[in-house]
Amino acid sequence: KQEVTQIPAALSVPEGENLVLNCSFTDSAIYNLQWFRQDPGKGLTSLLLIQSSQREQTSGRLNASLDKSSGRSTLYIAASQPGDSATYLCAGRFSGGYNKLIFGAGTRLAVHP
Amino acid sequence: GAGVSQSPSNKVTEKGKDVELRCDPISGHTALYWYRQSLGQGLEFLIYFQGNSAPDKSGLPSDRFSAERTGGSVSTLTIQRTQQEDSAVYLCASSFPESLHEQFFGPGTRLTVL
Repeated sequence: KQEVTQIPAALSVPEGENLVLNCSFTDSAIYNLQWFRQDPGKGLTSLLLIQSSQREQTSGRLNASLDKSSGRSTLYIAASQPGDSATYLCAGRFSGGYNKLIFGAGTRLAVHP
Repeated sequence: GAGVSQSPSNKVTEKGKDVELRCDPISGHTALYWYRQSLGQGLEFLIYFQGNSAPDKSGLPSDRFSAERTGGSVSTLTIQRTQQEDSAVYLCASSFPESLHEQFFGPGTRLTVL
C-alpha cells in the first residue's frame, strides 16, 4: 500500500530560522512529488513539483529535494517569516496509481515574531 | 488567469438529502480531480477525469457518490442520501498533462450534514 508520512506533525519556530520539513513515502516507483501550502479554511496552493528524475527544485526561499532510493523528500524554508505560518502538505504521484495524488497528513508550521 | 473555482463555498444539509457540488477547472486543463478532506482522515482521492476517457472512480467511498464532467470542463459531484460522515471539505483540482500533471486546487466546498 502506498503511504506518505510527514514528520513532524507540528512545528513552532522563531522568525528568521531556517527549517526543514520531512516527507517519506513507501513506494520508490514515484512519478513526481508536490509540496503544497494550506492556510486555515482555504484550498491548497502548489509550491513546488519535483520530478522523479530531479534531485532538487527551488522557488525563492523554498527548496525541495527528492531521494527515491530512500523514499524521502524534504522542504527547506530559508529565513522563515510569520507569513510562512500554514500547514504544509506533501503528495506523491506513483506509477501504480498514476491518476491521483497520495497525501501526507501535513506539518502545521507556526513562525512567531 | 482565473484559478479553479468551486461552488458553493459552504453547504449545510440535513441527513438524507441530496447535494450537488460544482467545480470549474482552469481553462484548458484536461484533467480534473475530486478529493475529500475530513478531520482525522486527511486528504483522500475520490475521482479523476481525463479528456474523453472513462473516469477513474476508484476513490468513491460508496455508490451514493457520483460525478460527471460535461463538455470536458465543468464537473459536478453529487452525494445522494447524505450521511453525517459525509461532512468534510470537498476539493477540486485540475491539471494539464504537458505540465507533468501539476495539480492546482480550488478553495473547496465545506459540507456539513446535520
